[in-house]
Amino acid sequence: GQSLEQPSEVTAVEGAIVQINCTYQTSGFYGLSWYQQHDGGAPTFLSYNGLDGLEETGRFSSFLSRSDSYGYLLLQELQMKDSASYFCAVRDGGRRALTFGSGTRLQVQP
Amino acid sequence: EAGVAQSPRYKIIEKRQSVAFWCNPISGHATLYWYQQILGQGPKLLIQFQNNGVVDDSQLPKDRFSAERLKGVDSTLKIQPAKLEDSAVYLCASSLDGGSSYEQYFGPGTRLTVT
Repeated sequence: GQSLEQPSEVTAVEGAIVQINCTYQTSGFYGLSWYQQHDGGAPTFLSYNGLDGLEETGRFSSFLSRSDSYGYLLLQELQMKDSASYFCAVRDGGRRALTFGSGTRLQVQP
Repeated sequence: EAGVAQSPRYKIIEKRQSVAFWCNPISGHATLYWYQQILGQGPKLLIQFQNNGVVDDSQLPKDRFSAERLKGVDSTLKIQPAKLEDSAVYLCASSLDGGSSYEQYFGPGTRLTVT
């Protein structure tokens, strides 16, 4: 099976940088995705890492180290609208399905 | 491009009643997913379709939950009979195909309350 661990809550101030970590255990790893979900809203895709290294998309970056079973999402120049829950999700090699973590609630303060 | 559509948005039923949810994925997306999201948790996959065939239903409580995607487009998820613990948001998502499952597009969800 798969299991993922990420912090339950993170607080940061506007304009700052925040890193949300994710460690995983899986029987067949195929990649790590990140999703954002505002309260009452639908999850939206942010980033995907299939290989080791850093992927950058605007203010958001995601990193993966397969040897350490570890990844992180980096949010720069935080804005109030970034207040949301962030989920890492492991893609299983066999089923190709996504298993989501329990989410990290990010609160951005002025 | 229209997103994933779901209905109804909200539903309140009593335990032991039945309920059905409907989903229309993004046009051209072959793979469709149903998730259950309990408050404070991440989405949990219930069933995955590739066109009109089931790819994965290993976490679907088959004694009470059923789903179908007859023509490879729209899908319905049914619960019969409902239990209190079924109270959750039911999310439908789609992706271009199974190989693109890392990037899924989610609908707004149906918030189910079982009393």
